[in-house]
Amino acid sequence: GAVVSQHPSRVICKSGTSVKIECRSLDFQATTMFWYRQFPKQSLMLMATSNEGSKATYEQGVEKDKFLINHASLTLSTLTVTSAHPEDSSFYICSAFSGGSTDTQYFGPGTRLTVL
Amino acid sequence: ILNVEQSPQSLHVQEGDSTNFTCSFPSSNFYALHWYRWETAKSPEALFVMTLNGDEKKKGRISATLNTKEGYSYLYIKGSQPEDSATYLCAFTSGTYKYIFGTGTRLKVLA
Repeated sequence: GAVVSQHPSRVICKSGTSVKIECRSLDFQATTMFWYRQFPKQSLMLMATSNEGSKATYEQGVEKDKFLINHASLTLSTLTVTSAHPEDSSFYICSAFSGGSTDTQYFGPGTRLTVL
Repeated sequence: ILNVEQSPQSLHVQEGDSTNFTCSFPSSNFYALHWYRWETAKSPEALFVMTLNGDEKKKGRISATLNTKEGYSYLYIKGSQPEDSATYLCAFTSGTYKYIFGTGTRLKVLA
């Protein structure tokens, strides 16, 4: 149980294009989903929190217009990197929270984005 | 700024050896400490959620302890196996949804 998928696992795009990453909870309904970013040799850093049907809450320093988050259903959240630039190249990973007593976040496998 | 530190950053052990690593976190406003195992190209797998000072949890050959007063948790692996090779992450939370992660300990178990 508690499986989260993420697609694509790897994407290479040209500078200026937009890239959409999908995060799905496969066997549970996720009241809240989270998007993290990881730079080399650094820890996972929370970018934003999304709740189904409402606007995402972004962490300080994360550009809302650059990283568009949509949480259209209890099993799907998407992150769109708009007008990507080489500095957006990173590892992006999502997690889903079902709101149970353990407060555990369940993670997808991540997406490696390379912007040329 | 809340800081979570893990040590060592990486280590190699021989198959059969026991090993342990540390997660240090702020001792104030503690709510929970999470341990994950993260194998390459897979999703981080939740190992333990620890909430009470003095807590000790066990899952097979892996166990963890928690000291909230001094702000540290130990993860122990008994009789390491090659399949234990992974990055072990800890994450601190102060009662909100927000996890503060350490940078992880990369374990390589040599056959």
